[in-house]
Amino acid sequence: DAEITQSPRHKITETGRQVTLACHQTWNHNNMFWYRQDLGHGLRLIHYSYGVQDTNKGEVSDGYSVSRSNTEDLPLTLESAASSQTSVYFCASSPGRVTEAFFGQGTRLTVV
Amino acid sequence: AQTVTQSQPEMSVQEAETVTLSCTYDTSESDYYLFWYKQPPSRQMILVIRQEAYKQQNATENRFSVNFQKAAKSFSLKISDSQLGDAAMYFCAYRNIPENSGNTPLVFGKGTRLSVIA
Repeated sequence: DAEITQSPRHKITETGRQVTLACHQTWNHNNMFWYRQDLGHGLRLIHYSYGVQDTNKGEVSDGYSVSRSNTEDLPLTLESAASSQTSVYFCASSPGRVTEAFFGQGTRLTVV
Repeated sequence: AQTVTQSQPEMSVQEAETVTLSCTYDTSESDYYLFWYKQPPSRQMILVIRQEAYKQQNATENRFSVNFQKAAKSFSLKISDSQLGDAAMYFCAYRNIPENSGNTPLVFGKGTRLSVIA
């Protein structure tokens, strides 16, 4: 079955290190999104892409970057991890511009 | 920018009873979609129900139904015959439909944690 997978599921890293979270979907969806989930804030949009070579900043993009070199993958990079980036990160994709998004299982990132 | 507000951080309901979760949103657009997602302790985000703004009829999915009031910009979720498995975080989400062929992301509220009491 087609799906969207995130890796790793859990990660602990040190302040200042570069970290990349992977997101891979096999639905061939053009739209992909990264959100972070924090208590009291719900899901906040970090970056999103509507197709290959397209990337856009979301509400909380500072300190994060993405690149879209193919349809299936949208990796999220933390250039220099900070304790404020400790969170649960969700990747999502959608086939069209008016449909719901389908989510990965989430990655819990702890920055120490 | 569109915003979604869920004013109830926590709710509880007795098993087999009915509960309503509130959601309001702010937009100047006329065409959009609204969604309710459920997040159980497993952390997986599960779509519960969706509503197209141009449809006056409220969406229903088994025990889940919505009360969509477009003029009031309100989109509440009603869960009937609550079950223990309904205990979860519930998120309301909004997605605009651009007039051109463009695209927009989903905007989420902060969530309501629902507890079901046996």
